[in-house]
Amino acid sequence: DTGVSQNPRHKITKRGQNVTFRCDPISEHNRLYWYRQTLGQGPEFLTYFQNEAQLEKSRLLSDRFSAERPKGSFSTLEIQRTEQGDSAMYLCASSLAGGQGMGKLFFGSGTQLSVL
Amino acid sequence: ILNVEQSPQSLHVQEGDSTNFTCSFPSSNFYALHWYRWETAKSPEALFVMTLNGDEKKKGRISATLNTKEGYSYLYIKGSQPEDSATYLCASRNSGNTPLVFGKGTRLSVIA
Repeated sequence: DTGVSQNPRHKITKRGQNVTFRCDPISEHNRLYWYRQTLGQGPEFLTYFQNEAQLEKSRLLSDRFSAERPKGSFSTLEIQRTEQGDSAMYLCASSLAGGQGMGKLFFGSGTQLSVL
Repeated sequence: ILNVEQSPQSLHVQEGDSTNFTCSFPSSNFYALHWYRWETAKSPEALFVMTLNGDEKKKGRISATLNTKEGYSYLYIKGSQPEDSATYLCASRNSGNTPLVFGKGTRLSVIA
């Protein structure tokens, strides 16, 4: 069990550029979540997958954000035309579905995005 | 929309003091309550997952209680140590297929 891995750890970009982050979950976990955290706030839900299906997406999520989990393993989160307000820590977490493991989330170290 | 509140926002205690934090959540359609610890430069780590009213869980010097009828959970730390310094996050969900909704956290600093 190597844990949840996220890349890159840090990303600095200019406003208007596109960025993509990757998350590799714990291999036997079928659920994968993306959260965003800004200073002074708790993690805010963005979207989640069960296997390759995207089951829920936050209403707060702009159409500039898209996430994929093509083979039910790793996931990518892309932000197009970044804005300064997108600067945040992007956290990925994985879990077992249903009652298994009681839905406990295992988090990665996050990707810190800074939009200049 | 599920709303999870935590208090206090931050807390400074002396080494050896005992302390506690509060998490409030909607009591209707309750499914589960989670506590996580997030140390600086590390990943959030699960402490407890609680589902039953009256549930009490313990892990070393840290324990938690759950009251689903009134919608609150307490986290207790006995004899705080500097290594307990972290942000403690509470999260709730109202079904097994909905995502966890997190509170803003309580930032604990333990002074040696």
